[in-house]
Amino acid sequence: AQSVAQPEDQVNVAEGNPLTVKCTYSVSGNPYLFWYVQYPNRGLQFLLKYITGDNLVKGSYGFEAEFNKSQTSFHLKKPSALVSDSALYFCAVRAPTSGTYKYIFGTGTRLKVLA
Amino acid sequence: DVKVTQSSRYLVKRTGEKVFLECVQDMDHENMFWYRQDPGLGLRLIYFSYDVKMKEKGDIPEGYSVSREKKERFSLILESASTNQTSMYLCATTKPSYEQYFGPGTRLTVT
Repeated sequence: AQSVAQPEDQVNVAEGNPLTVKCTYSVSGNPYLFWYVQYPNRGLQFLLKYITGDNLVKGSYGFEAEFNKSQTSFHLKKPSALVSDSALYFCAVRAPTSGTYKYIFGTGTRLKVLA
Repeated sequence: DVKVTQSSRYLVKRTGEKVFLECVQDMDHENMFWYRQDPGLGLRLIYFSYDVKMKEKGDIPEGYSVSREKKERFSLILESASTNQTSMYLCATTKPSYEQYFGPGTRLTVT
């Protein structure tokens, strides 16, 4: 079955430290992978994506993600966390279905950056 | 920039009522989606549409239907609202570059 897993419900990190939010996926064919962020009382915002090319992709607000095909992972990273990065993060994959495509989301990881 | 609007931010309905949630996008995108977001369950796909003539069931379509009479408008219908449909409902459209663009959401409470 096609799926996305975010194994951590919550990640705590001290401000200034590097952060990683984990995502693994299972999908038919070549994966199109995405990260979204949801700030309190706001809609989801696109952060970054991997379609093809360089395995390390850079996105908004200093975030980056590394695509690892052998481990079927797409972990979100940031070298130095800010308190303002505290939010809910979702990983998603574009998956083939019934001759078209849909998007499958993970259950989300709440990031808390502590001052 | 893409704009996706949803008819209400907050909605309270009674059990058994027919509920309409409307979504409008202004970018002439073919693809539109309805999700519900619940704590611990992430986003789950209810229905999606790749053009005006095509509607597809998502992963949790039971109790819902959709209407897409115009390209820019995609409506989600709760035929007979139940308390287990209390949730945050998110509408999205997909850019040609594949990422999704979301509306602000409608928080529906069914009492």
